[in-house]
Amino acid sequence: AQSVTQLDSQVPVFEEAPVELRCNYSSSVSVYLFWYVQYPNQGLQLLLKYLSGSTLVKGINGFEAEFNKSQTSFHLRKPSVHISDTAEYFCAVSEKDSSYKLIFGSGTRLLVRP
Amino acid sequence: GAGVSQSPSNKVTEKGKDVELRCDPISGHTALYWYRQSLGQGLEFLIYFQGNSAPDKSGLPSDRFSAERTGGSVSTLTIQRTQQEDSAVYLCASSFGYQPQHFGDGTRLSIL
Repeated sequence: AQSVTQLDSQVPVFEEAPVELRCNYSSSVSVYLFWYVQYPNQGLQLLLKYLSGSTLVKGINGFEAEFNKSQTSFHLRKPSVHISDTAEYFCAVSEKDSSYKLIFGSGTRLLVRP
Repeated sequence: GAGVSQSPSNKVTEKGKDVELRCDPISGHTALYWYRQSLGQGLEFLIYFQGNSAPDKSGLPSDRFSAERTGGSVSTLTIQRTQQEDSAVYLCASSFGYQPQHFGDGTRLSIL
């Protein structure tokens, strides 16, 4: 069985500063990895996903993530955040054979301050 | 363009009543997913439809939960004899591929 750990429940950061949201996973099989963003009172929006190939994945809104198999991590980064990036961010993992069945982390609230 | 539409946006009902939640996916999307988001359990997979294939219902928490997808489009999630632990936000998503991409804004279900 897979699991996802997002150790930081909240990350405060000043506008235009860089940010990294951490995600670690555990699995005994090959996995796909995802980051979703959820704005208040809205559904989730896919930011980026790693299926195969290059371990550095670029997504929407200037976000990127790097898959590190040896450290079982998939941290999300942005070099310069905006106020509008304030939201909840969820990391998720799925088995390759059932990639529709996502296991989500508990989420990290990114709070961007002016 | 139109996104995934869910109705109602909010539903308050008494314990023991049945409820129906509706999802209109993005036109042409073959895959449809239901997830649930609750304070205690976080985000959980419920059910997955892909084209005309049999759905994967492995995430449904009890036999009080059922879902159908008519004509490969609209889906309805039904909860019978609701319990307080069913209170959550029910999220629907659709996609062309095999992973959820576009989510609706959800139905917030409150059981009194």
